[in-house]
Amino acid sequence: KAGVTQTPRYLIKTRGQQVTLSCSPISGHRSVSWYQQTPGQGLQFLFEYFSETQRNKGNFPGRFSGRQFSNSRSEMNVSTLELGDSALYLCASRTDGPYEQYFGPGTRLTVT
Amino acid sequence: AQSVTQPDIHITVSEGASLELRCNYSYGATPYLFWYVQSPGQGLQLLLKYFSGDTLVQGIKGFEAEFKRSQSSFNLRKPSVHWSDAAEYFCAVGARGGSQGNLIFGKGTKLSVKP
Repeated sequence: KAGVTQTPRYLIKTRGQQVTLSCSPISGHRSVSWYQQTPGQGLQFLFEYFSETQRNKGNFPGRFSGRQFSNSRSEMNVSTLELGDSALYLCASRTDGPYEQYFGPGTRLTVT
Repeated sequence: AQSVTQPDIHITVSEGASLELRCNYSYGATPYLFWYVQSPGQGLQLLLKYFSGDTLVQGIKGFEAEFKRSQSSFNLRKPSVHWSDAAEYFCAVGARGGSQGNLIFGKGTKLSVKP
């Protein structure tokens, strides 16, 4: 089975712009979670989607949003980018239930 | 509040030596427990998990971890470290119940391996 894929792998944006990141989960996985990883804050949960519905949300401002499509692919969007949004954004998928999450390689976002 | 503590930011061990990485958690009940490893510029790879049952769990690459409820700990061990084990290791907890998609991670322990 193919693993979790994320596109693009690297992105450079300017402050004030918006960005959309994409995640394709492992086939058969209906849950997709997003995390932000920074040197200062570590790994922080952004949100989880299951069957096109947001099931959980972390403590991030409304500039961070996401969605999930019927094929379980997910996108996250960050509007009005700030320098502090520079981070590695990781997507993880799992089957429903108490199962482990499988992570993609991440998208490295740099905001200048 | 739920939290995960990895007390060691950076550990250096010699190749062939044994390894123990510490993880303590604060949680209202017994959570699901995980160890992940991350190589530079890469995503996270699951090493092992604890859901219930035997408190000593085996994982990939020769790693094992022991869940100790009385100490709220889930330490990762390996009897003989290889140079390829150099990476950053993250302990994580997940809720039993509806919030399973929300993993709480420790800050990580960076492992360096001396030849």
